[in-house]
Amino acid sequence: QKEVEQNSGPLSVPEGAIASLNCTYSDRGSQSFFWYRQYSGKSPELIMSIYSNGDKEDGRFTAQLNKASQYVSLLIRDSQPSDSATYLCAANAGNNRKLIWGLGTSLAVNP
Amino acid sequence: ETGVTQSPTHLIKTRGQQVTLRCSSQSGHNTVSWYQQALGQGPQFIFQYYREEENGRGNFPPRFSGLQFPNYSSELNVNALELDDSALYHCASSPGGGGADTQYFGPGTRLTVL
Repeated sequence: QKEVEQNSGPLSVPEGAIASLNCTYSDRGSQSFFWYRQYSGKSPELIMSIYSNGDKEDGRFTAQLNKASQYVSLLIRDSQPSDSATYLCAANAGNNRKLIWGLGTSLAVNP
Repeated sequence: ETGVTQSPTHLIKTRGQQVTLRCSSQSGHNTVSWYQQALGQGPQFIFQYYREEENGRGNFPPRFSGLQFPNYSSELNVNALELDDSALYHCASSPGGGGADTQYFGPGTRLTVL
């Protein structure tokens, strides 16, 4: 059973702090990894994709991938209350375009 | 560029009825995936369509079926509705080829089965 696992949280950080979200995956054949943000009752919104080991930065967001350890992380710098949402990690399942999703980590940024 | 659209936004059905949900993919995208998301859960993959053919299916019974049309829009049909089918249904499209796995979601359809 191919899985993506995340801590459900809630993760609570003060405004302006760095929020760190983690994800592990079981399928060593996965090549593509994604972070989505989902507000309650809304659809997931793509934040970032990452395909290579190392860091990828986009504004306040940095995704980190370590294929040897099979983990992906998302750092949010200067966290804002508007960042409060559920963050979903997804990985592709081998050669198929199917994505395997984690259950999401709930983040609360406190003013 | 037009994003992914879904219709209807909400609907209420009773147990045993049938429902059709519709999705228009983002311009230039030939792949559509459907997901079911129950409250407090991550999206569960139902199936994917690529160029009008089913291209992978999750652990859903045959009463969940779909179609993709030549313009790459798609339908999700659910027969013999059950109470547990109440969920948010997502359609996501992706472009195919390089970066094919990046999926862009529509606004979702909230289905309530009474």
